[in-house]
Amino acid sequence: GENVEQHPSTLSVQEGDSAVIKCTYSDSASNYFPWYKQELGKRPQLIIDIRSNVGEKKDQRIAVTLNKTAKHFSLHITETQPEDSAVYFCAASIRSGGGADGLTFGKGTHLIIQP
Amino acid sequence: EPEVTQTPSHQVTQMGQEVILRCVPISNHLYFYWYRQILGQKVEFLVSFYNNEISEKSEIFDDQFSVERPDGSNFTLKIRSTKLEDSAMYFCASSPYSPGLAGHEQYFGPGTRLTVT
Repeated sequence: GENVEQHPSTLSVQEGDSAVIKCTYSDSASNYFPWYKQELGKRPQLIIDIRSNVGEKKDQRIAVTLNKTAKHFSLHITETQPEDSAVYFCAASIRSGGGADGLTFGKGTHLIIQP
Repeated sequence: EPEVTQTPSHQVTQMGQEVILRCVPISNHLYFYWYRQILGQKVEFLVSFYNNEISEKSEIFDDQFSVERPDGSNFTLKIRSTKLEDSAMYFCASSPYSPGLAGHEQYFGPGTRLTVT
C-alpha cells in the first residue's frame, strides 16, 4: 500500500520567515495530495490540495508544489504568523474507479512560530 | 458554513463492551470516511463508504468494526468488542461529489475521543 514520509517532525521559524514541509510518497498511482492543519485538540482542517495534473498551487501565503517524477510534494508558508503554529499533515490518495478513496497521512510536522 | 458533526465528544467504555460512534456528514456530501488518531500519532484511515456500501477499508478495519448509514443523515461506526488498543480519537469525514477530479476533498468532524479501560 501507499506510504507517506514527512519531514521535518518539528520546525521552528521566526515570525515573518518562511516554512517548508516536505513529503514523499511511494505509490506512483497516487494522484491527490491534500494538506491538513491540526491545532491542539481540534479537527484536521484542509488548507490546500493539489492534483497530479498540476505542478504548483497557491492560495495567499500558502503554496504546494508537486514533483511526480521524484514522488514528492511540499508545503510552503510565507510570512509566517503566530496563528500558523500547529501540526501539519500531508496525505496522498489514489483515485480508484469512482469510489471513496482513503487518505494515507504522513506523521505530521509540528510548526512553531517564534515571536 | 456547514460542518461535519460527531457525537459523543468523549466516550469511556470497558474492555469488551460495544460502542457506537455517530457522525452527521455535511448534507450534500456523498462519500463518508472514518479515521482514527492515537494520541500524538498520525491520522490512520479505517474505512470509506459510498452508495450504501463499503468502498475501501484498511487492515485496521477488521471484523470487530462495522459501519452503517441507518438513515439519510447519520453515519455510524460500531466497535463490537473494544480492546485497550482501540483507545484513540475517531474522526468522521465526508466529501462532495467531484466528477472527473482526482481525489475528493475530505472535511473532518471534531472527533470522538474513545477511552477503553
